[in-house]
Amino acid sequence: GQQVMQIPQYQHVQEGEDFTTYCNSSTTLSNIQWYKQRPGGHPVFLIQLVKSGEVKKQKRLTFQFGEAKKNSSLHITATQTTDVGTYFCAGPRYGGATNKLIFGTGTLLAVQP
Amino acid sequence: NAGVTQTPKFQVLKTGQSMTLQCAQDMNHEYMSWYRQDPGMGLRLIHYSVGAGITDQGEVPNGYNVSRSTTEDFPLRLLSAAPSQTSVYFCASTRGQNYEQYFGPGTRLTVT
Repeated sequence: GQQVMQIPQYQHVQEGEDFTTYCNSSTTLSNIQWYKQRPGGHPVFLIQLVKSGEVKKQKRLTFQFGEAKKNSSLHITATQTTDVGTYFCAGPRYGGATNKLIFGTGTLLAVQP
Repeated sequence: NAGVTQTPKFQVLKTGQSMTLQCAQDMNHEYMSWYRQDPGMGLRLIHYSVGAGITDQGEVPNGYNVSRSTTEDFPLRLLSAAPSQTSVYFCASTRGQNYEQYFGPGTRLTVT
């Protein structure tokens, strides 16, 4: 079945280092969304990418959608302790005409001050 | 706006008990969903609804029932709780296809 995988599962960085998480889908996605979940919290929407090759920036965060629309990445420049949490990508289920999203397994980011 | 609210925040059940997890949203969103989150498995869709009176199954629907009598409310019923249903449950709503989802704070359920 359709799968969305993320790597790495876990990353520990020193504050100030960069961080990247990668999202790979087994099928082409019409769009991809990214969410952040703080420890003990709920997922919060960050951004949506729609176009092939699209790149969007939010301050220190850079999001990219692959040319084939099967992969995506989130890069954080100069991490801060406020970046701690799990980052999820999510895409619509293949053939889905509704809001049925399939979420990636997530990447847990730990930032040491 | 309160956004998406869920009750209770925490619950402990014994095997075989039933209960209802409540979810409500005040954003007039047509689409609502229930997810469960287990360590290392991300968020998995249990049931979803595209409007009042319309529900459908997600990828892990067994052992759960839903109904949608109003736009605002989308309760999730556990029919006969099992230890495998120990998880964190999130309700989410969205205004439509390909729009961001707004999540509630979650219900942490333990079944012993």
